[in-house]
Amino acid sequence: LAKTTQPISMDSYEGQEVNITCSHNNIATNDYITWYQQFPSQGPRFIIQGYKTKVTNEVASLFIPADRKSSTLSLPRVSLSDTAVYYCLVGIYNQGGKLIFGQGTELSVKP
Amino acid sequence: KAGVTQTPRYLIKTRGQQVTLSCSPISGHRSVSWYQQTPGQGLQFLFEYFSETQRNKGNFPGRFSGRQFSNSRSEMNVSTLELGDSALYLCASSWDGGGGRGEQYFGPGTRLTVT
Repeated sequence: LAKTTQPISMDSYEGQEVNITCSHNNIATNDYITWYQQFPSQGPRFIIQGYKTKVTNEVASLFIPADRKSSTLSLPRVSLSDTAVYYCLVGIYNQGGKLIFGQGTELSVKP
Repeated sequence: KAGVTQTPRYLIKTRGQQVTLSCSPISGHRSVSWYQQTPGQGLQFLFEYFSETQRNKGNFPGRFSGRQFSNSRSEMNVSTLELGDSALYLCASSWDGGGGRGEQYFGPGTRLTVT
């Protein structure tokens, strides 16, 4: 299983771009990288998923270098409502719905 | 499309009792996974059911069990409750196996307090 390492916490201000980097040195060839967001007392919410290079959707971008040993979630122009815990997951590709969550990164956005 | 629903949302039980939690996945989803979340241990995988069969299991004692019905609804049961079982129990569904390829949709959770 690929272990992930993320910063425990980050602070930012409204309107700034936030980049959260995750290390996953033992990622396997078939593993995808997925990010989830969680607010207090709620279930995690899927943000974005990628395999290599760059993926962008309406809420975030995911940058994955060629060696795939790390990935960076980029949140453009954060707002107070983006204050949450962000989890980086390296998937158990073909083992069904088993997600291994690390400690996550607690992002605090200040006015 | 309705999201994942979990019932009850809150529950208070006494040590030694048993509890059953229910999860209704998104229509069409066949995979249901359960997770336990505590401040100390974070989010931990309990088990996953796919087409009424347990396909994956985490490292929890046998007091934790589950099942899935033909309509994909799932229940999890915890017997002989311990204080350490107090947690937020989350259910997630996906249309296929999910895992590292597809996305899982989480319910709001059931907050279980054991006294």
